[in-house]
Amino acid sequence: GDSVTQMEGPVTLSEEAFLTINCTYTATGYPSLFWYVQYPGEGLQLLLKATKADDKGSNKGFEATYRKETTSFHLEKGSVQVSDSAVYFCALNQGGKLIFGQGTELSVKP
Amino acid sequence: GAGVSQSPSNKVTEKGKDVELRCDPISGHTALYWYRQSLGQGLEFLIYFQGNSAPDKSGLPSDRFSAERTGGSVSTLTIQRTQQEDSAVYLCASSSLAGSSGNTIYFGEGSWLTVV
Repeated sequence: GDSVTQMEGPVTLSEEAFLTINCTYTATGYPSLFWYVQYPGEGLQLLLKATKADDKGSNKGFEATYRKETTSFHLEKGSVQVSDSAVYFCALNQGGKLIFGQGTELSVKP
Repeated sequence: GAGVSQSPSNKVTEKGKDVELRCDPISGHTALYWYRQSLGQGLEFLIYFQGNSAPDKSGLPSDRFSAERTGGSVSTLTIQRTQQEDSAVYLCASSSLAGSSGNTIYFGEGSWLTVV
């Protein structure tokens, strides 16, 4: 069945460091891909999405490119801030149902 | 409402009791989803409604779990004879277009269930 695999956390970075969180997927068709973020004590929020191959989603300085050839959707940010500390979930949607990765906890230190 | 609303936000119940969790989706959203978030299990899909019908119940973990949706709006997730392994955050979500893979799904803040 369809599945999503994320790099394991926790990831600890210093402020202004470069962030990459790897995400790969397995799907039978052509899913849409999403990154959701969960800040401490809050609900899941959509961070960005891409609906077809080579699309780049971006929001709040975060980017991810839908790579069909490598079945990947890695999340990147050039300079993280303390306020980016959260749990990040990669997900695919095929046929209207989201399938999530395990989540990656990010902690950014001042 | 402005967002997906869930109640109660926290529930502590004794093992063996039944619990009901309620979800009020974003107004006009036809699709409604229930997920479970627990330590070590990540985010698990439970059930999906399109209008009042549930085309996908594949994630319900046992027959103690059931859900209904009435009037194409509010949904209730019921857990009968709760067990300690049912302790988790139960998340409800909704979207405006059922079955569309590109559509954004919006989540509520969840109902935290603790079974003691």
